[in-house]
Amino acid sequence: AQSVTQLGSHVSVSEGALVLLRCNYSSSVPPYLFWYVQYPNQGLQLLLKYTSAATLVKGINGFEAEFKKSETSFHLTKPSAHMSDAAEYFCAAILTGGGNKLTFGTGTQLKVEL
Amino acid sequence: DTGVSQNPRHKITKRGQNVTFRCDPISEHNRLYWYRQTLGQGPEFLTYFQNEAQLEKSRLLSDRFSAERPKGSFSTLEIQRTEQGDSAMYLCASSLAASGGFTDTQYFGPGTRLTVL
Repeated sequence: AQSVTQLGSHVSVSEGALVLLRCNYSSSVPPYLFWYVQYPNQGLQLLLKYTSAATLVKGINGFEAEFKKSETSFHLTKPSAHMSDAAEYFCAAILTGGGNKLTFGTGTQLKVEL
Repeated sequence: DTGVSQNPRHKITKRGQNVTFRCDPISEHNRLYWYRQTLGQGPEFLTYFQNEAQLEKSRLLSDRFSAERPKGSFSTLEIQRTEQGDSAMYLCASSLAASGGFTDTQYFGPGTRLTVL
């Protein structure tokens, strides 16, 4: 079955350190891929999206993600974490045959420590 | 453009009562989606509309759930005879359909948190 998997439900980094949040998809055809961020008691905000135009996608707040077909991955990175980056991050996909609905991973809670 | 709005933001109800939530999409967005998010999980798709037509419903959407978008603008989601398992965050999203495919971007509202006692 087609799915989106996020490895690591909790990630903790020091302020200024590299942020790496992992996302893998399971699909025979590369899907459209998205990263969203959710702050407590708020809706989801789009960080970036991959729609096959370029494999390295830059988003808001200094985040970027690289689509790797060979690895079926779309990991999210940020060179230097800031305290304000602490939130929950969701990888999502529009899968083949799935119409227009988003299929989400289970999320990764990012903690940023001083 | 004020973004997607949802009302109420919080709803507490007793088991067996009916509840209705409202979503106002970004103006001129022709697609509207409902998702449900339970604690510790990613959002799960419930249903979606293109204009006033409900084009897809998840099997998660039991007979107690009904959604409408009567004039192709705002939408309502009603849950009848609520159960404790219905407690969740209900998220609405809207998008403008891109020509020829599925690359439109969904913009989410703040959600309605439902607690069923």
